[in-house]
Amino acid sequence: KNEVEQSPQNLTAQEGEFITINCSYSVGISALHWLQQHPGGGIVSLFMLSSGKKKHGRLIATINIQEKHSSLHITASHPRDSAVYTCAVRSTYADGLTFGKGTHLIIQP
Amino acid sequence: IAGITQAPTSQILAAGRRMTLRCTQDMRHNAMYWYRQDLGLGLRLIHYSNTAGTTGKGEVPDGYSVSRANTDDFPLTLASAVPSQTSVYFCASSDRAVSTDTQYFGPGTRLTVL
Repeated sequence: KNEVEQSPQNLTAQEGEFITINCSYSVGISALHWLQQHPGGGIVSLFMLSSGKKKHGRLIATINIQEKHSSLHITASHPRDSAVYTCAVRSTYADGLTFGKGTHLIIQP
Repeated sequence: IAGITQAPTSQILAAGRRMTLRCTQDMRHNAMYWYRQDLGLGLRLIHYSNTAGTTGKGEVPDGYSVSRANTDDFPLTLASAVPSQTSVYFCASSDRAVSTDTQYFGPGTRLTVL
């Protein structure tokens, strides 16, 4: 079993819809990251969470440490949000990040 | 230089050849990382360095070596490339002295081993 599981793997939605991507992990962590990668593009760090909730524009990330679960929400989705979103954790026993396999999001106009 | 850079952008390499992927950051970050990205597998840690002069093995270190002679540079060497090392390689850095520990990624190197 992977240490970091994401769902869904693929998601296609219409412009304006509210999007939720889920991430579950099985190890103790010091931080959880949400990353964005546009097609052919580089990787950008969206959020780093160790507790609670963070908001940046239309993006919201939450984490529940007790349940080992995090969600990334996109409000009023737009075609430019189309990208791969990846959850990654920094575990308490290892250096570097351990990644989920990513969620491929397509927002259709 | 602004941020973190990688070279080359892409490379086609014959199996058995030696190859060094370069990574340089100008943010004076203590920690640097090498990841590979493969379809269906996502990103995986190859090697890391918490500070200049030290390195460590990640999840998939076999066939790769790294060095960290100074703060800015973290080259990744494939001593004898094999086709299974065909991948996109990302270098990243972070300032572990800061509580946020955000990782900044380079633009990637696309490597094809034939």
